[in-house]
Amino acid sequence: DAKTTQPNSMESNEEEPVHLPCNHSTISGTDYIHWYRQLPSQGPEYVIHGLTSNVNNRMASLAIAEDRKSSTLILHRATLRDAAVYYCILNTGFQKLVFGTGTRLLVSP
Amino acid sequence: SAVISQKPSRDICQRGTSLTIQCQVDSQVTMMFWYRQQPGQSLTLIATANQGSEATYESGFVIDKFPISRPNLTFSTLTVSNMSPEDSSIYLCSVEGLAGGGEQFFGPGTRLTVL
Repeated sequence: DAKTTQPNSMESNEEEPVHLPCNHSTISGTDYIHWYRQLPSQGPEYVIHGLTSNVNNRMASLAIAEDRKSSTLILHRATLRDAAVYYCILNTGFQKLVFGTGTRLLVSP
Repeated sequence: SAVISQKPSRDICQRGTSLTIQCQVDSQVTMMFWYRQQPGQSLTLIATANQGSEATYESGFVIDKFPISRPNLTFSTLTVSNMSPEDSSIYLCSVEGLAGGGEQFFGPGTRLTVL
């Protein structure tokens, strides 16, 4: 399974944008880039995924580098509810998800 | 997205006993997944359960310890057998999404404590 590297933790202030980085230098051409988050005491929640082009949805934006070796999850305006562990995962589609340690996002009022 | 429920939400069990966890989905799905999350850790896949076939187990997990049933397209069970305190974890099921690209949707989890 292709490996991803994320910072252990990041901090943000409420209502500010947050950029969560992920490195995946060994990504293959068929790997989708997935982001999930896990709020305290809950199961993981799907956030967004993409293959080559940048993606936007109601939760976040995903910016993918041109060489696909890195990506950034963008929360446009952080809220206290966005405090969670964010996981960046490579997936070839309809396959198991291999979770790393993720980035713990702390949001301050 | 699919709505997934799990029963029980939590349980405290004695060493040597077994617990069956149920996972119910509000739509028909081909693939269901069972994960374990040990205290303070990330998620680890236990097995993939397709309807009508034997579950596929990941390295380190065996059918005798974690038997899985998948009787139809909306339901699955995971049994944790002959439990020990090391089995204390959150157990989560997930299902594939329909949009393509391999996204998964997770249940709320079952928090198991073994004494």
